[in-house]
Amino acid sequence: DAGVTQSPTHLIKTRGQQVTLRCSPKSGHDTVSWYQQALGQGPQFIFQYYEEEERQRGNFPDRFSGHQFPNYSSELNVNALLLGDSALYLCASSLVSLSSYEQYFGPGTRLTVT
Amino acid sequence: GDSVTQMEGPVTLSEEAFLTINCTYTATGYPSLFWYVQYPGEGLQLLLKATKADDKGSNKGFEATYRKETTSFHLEKGSVQVSDSAVYFCALVGVQGAQKLVFGQGTRLTINP
Repeated sequence: DAGVTQSPTHLIKTRGQQVTLRCSPKSGHDTVSWYQQALGQGPQFIFQYYEEEERQRGNFPDRFSGHQFPNYSSELNVNALLLGDSALYLCASSLVSLSSYEQYFGPGTRLTVT
Repeated sequence: GDSVTQMEGPVTLSEEAFLTINCTYTATGYPSLFWYVQYPGEGLQLLLKATKADDKGSNKGFEATYRKETTSFHLEKGSVQVSDSAVYFCALVGVQGAQKLVFGQGTRLTINP
């Protein structure tokens, strides 16, 4: 049973560029959440997708956008990159019907903006 | 809004020592509470959880009890090992809206042989 997978593992971009990160959820899960983890900090919620729609959004600007596909996989897009966007981006999957609210995380994508 | 506060790190202990990492929360109603662990270079792994007051979550020798009266979920282990060295995050999912995890700032734990 494959867990949550993310690609790429590492990425280096220049200020002003755009980036797309990808996530495949754990088998059987229908909900994908994205988190940003700055160095030495706890993860911060970006947004969550369920049934191909954004279900909730954290305190992130519109430069951050996402998409969920019919197979439940998801993309995170960041436009007009800033140096402050450098972080580990984590994808987590869950099953919305579960009352335990357990989320399973992927290994993350390390984004460096220069 | 909902928030989680963890004890400041880093924490350094000797092998077989007793571990406590404090966690308190602010939230409306009865959130679900979690401890996640992050080993170097890896993503987050769910360590244990509790979904209602007085529940005790446990896994791999770690325990935490959901205390509504003190809004706390302290992590404990009776005898730590070098392999427990990692960063530990306390987190909650609130009762309103989507299944959004709210994390504490993390506590780095180092166990010396």
